[in-house]
Amino acid sequence: GAVVSQHPSWVICKSGTSVKIECRSLDFQATTMFWYRQFPKQSLMLMATSNEGSKATYEQGVEKDKFLINHASLTLSTLTVTSAHPEDSSFYICSARDRSGVGYTFGSGTRLTVV
Amino acid sequence: LAKTTQPISMDSYEGQEVNITCSHNNIATNDYITWYQQFPSQGPRFIIQGYKTKVTNEVASLFIPADRKSSTLSLPRVSLSDTAVYYCLVGDGDNAGKSTFGDGTTLTVKP
Repeated sequence: GAVVSQHPSWVICKSGTSVKIECRSLDFQATTMFWYRQFPKQSLMLMATSNEGSKATYEQGVEKDKFLINHASLTLSTLTVTSAHPEDSSFYICSARDRSGVGYTFGSGTRLTVV
Repeated sequence: LAKTTQPISMDSYEGQEVNITCSHNNIATNDYITWYQQFPSQGPRFIIQGYKTKVTNEVASLFIPADRKSSTLSLPRVSLSDTAVYYCLVGDGDNAGKSTFGDGTTLTVKP
């Protein structure tokens, strides 16, 4: 079945630094990928829609200059958290859809801790 | 995109059948209903998808009444490893990825 690989699975960084998270569709092409954020004991919140070859679409309240999304190929989308602060600490998850399959495939998530 | 409502939590015992119902009163004609399972610190995992009537796969069944304003995920003979959060999402095709995750249902299976 469709596989989405997300890397790294966890990362700790210092306040003020930037962190890049990668999301790859391993066995299918994805023109669209989605990025979510999930705080402890809460549901997933959609942050943005990543579109291959064009600008990402951000949900209301999500700072596009802080959460940079690049979807340079049909199999890779990256989320860069710039100038990270402790309040950015969260679980970040990506998803994509294999058009030949059913439903969406999610990555395994990235636990970001900003200290 | 249709909003969904589910019970916040449910408890069950090993070997029992569990039914989780989701309400989606404003589901659109083109919308499909999809259920996901999420374990702590993992991404959600696809369980089952349906449009109407009943769908069954190797892990679950999905019952959808004729008006499609609700759906019920049925897990047969649950085990401890089925303890997780279950989400139902409603949407169509590529737009389904923008579906709003509700609060989900935390299922706790006890021995």
